[in-house]
Amino acid sequence: EAQVTQNPRYLITVTGKKLTVTCSQNMNHEYMSWYRQDPGLGLRQIYYSMNVEVTDKGDVPEGYKVSRKEKRNFPLILESPSPNQTSLYFCASSSGGGFNGYTFGSGTRLTVV
Amino acid sequence: DAKTTQPPSMDCAEGRAANLPCNHSTISGNEYVYWYRQIHSQGPQYIIHGLKNNETNEMASLIITEDRKSSTLILPHATLRDTAVYYCIVLFPGQNFVFGPGTRLSVLP
Repeated sequence: EAQVTQNPRYLITVTGKKLTVTCSQNMNHEYMSWYRQDPGLGLRQIYYSMNVEVTDKGDVPEGYKVSRKEKRNFPLILESPSPNQTSLYFCASSSGGGFNGYTFGSGTRLTVV
Repeated sequence: DAKTTQPPSMDCAEGRAANLPCNHSTISGNEYVYWYRQIHSQGPQYIIHGLKNNETNEMASLIITEDRKSSTLILPHATLRDTAVYYCIVLFPGQNFVFGPGTRLSVLP
């Protein structure tokens, strides 16, 4: 089944403890992206990647890092999480520059205390 | 990106057609209209997209006005499982998606 897989689905962590949220897609898509969703603010893009070794900032990149060493994986790294990064995170992928739509993962609900 | 305007919420009776409007008066000639939906904190789901002509797939129909300044997403026979937030997005292919607040559709029994 074609899908985007995120792990973990739920995570509670403490301020300052580095964490990684993984994202993997099995559709050979070139494009991958991370979003966060907060009440009243909609979906906001964090980082995106047009292909392997090519990444760029979205609208809210502060406090996050990403890497794209392989086509299928696009991990989101929080080096020193803070409570304002408590959010629902989604990974997405697409082919053809997104022309035929994006496939989203099921989401990761992160709580930083 | 062209700015879109959608009503914040709508109700629809189960089994009836749900017609969700979107205004995009500043759309340019090569920008497409995309529709996604998000069911209660799940990942957004692609529904349909179009440029000028009306489009139909197994999920919905997209009607774009001749001047392209507005569009309507039609769910022909809404079910309770269609209750979701629906997003209308206008952009050039390859541009990054920006999701606004969307329309919260409630399908009522």
